Amino acid sequence: KAGVTQTPRYLIKTRGQQVTLSCSPISGHRSVSWYQQTPGQGLQFLFEYFSETQRNKGNFPGRFSGRQFSNSRSEMNVSTLELGDSALYLCASRGMAGDEWTDTQYFGPGTRLTVL
Amino acid sequence: AQSVTQLDSQVPVFEEAPVELRCNYSSSVSVYLFWYVQYPNQGLQLLLKYLSGSTLVKGINGFEAEFNKSQTSFHLRKPSVHISDTAEYFCAVSERSNDYKLSFGAGTTVTVRA
Repeated sequence: KAGVTQTPRYLIKTRGQQVTLSCSPISGHRSVSWYQQTPGQGLQFLFEYFSETQRNKGNFPGRFSGRQFSNSRSEMNVSTLELGDSALYLCASRGMAGDEWTDTQYFGPGTRLTVL
Repeated sequence: AQSVTQLDSQVPVFEEAPVELRCNYSSSVSVYLFWYVQYPNQGLQLLLKYLSGSTLVKGINGFEAEFNKSQTSFHLRKPSVHISDTAEYFCAVSERSNDYKLSFGAGTTVTVRA
């Protein structure tokens, strides 16, 4: 079974621009979560989508948004980029067993965003 | 609310020596515990997890971890490391009552030297 894929792997943007990152979950997984990883703050939860709806949200400004499509692929958008948005953005997917969430999230390789 | 503390930010170790990475968590309810590894320029890979049952959990690449409920710890061990084990290791906790949302520790960088 193919793993979680993220595109692009690397991005360079300038301050004020916007960026869209893409994540394709493991086949059959309907939940996609996004995380930001920086040396100073570590791994921080951004949000989670399930069945095209945002289920959970971390403590990030409204410049960070996301969406999920009917095929479970998810996109994350950051508008008005700031230098501090430079980070590795990871997405993770998980599935369900019947009506219950499964316990394990599987991560993609990440998108490295550099803001100049 | 759940939280995780990794007690060592950096662990240098010689090849073929044992290594232990320490992780403590806090939570008011039953938790699930995970160790992930991140190799340079890659995403996170699941090493092992504790859900219930035996407190000694074996994972991939010869790693194992022991869950200690009384000490709220989940330390990771490997009896003999290789150069290829050089990576960053993250301990994470989730609560079933919280939809399995993951909280991560700050990470431990393991550097294996010949």
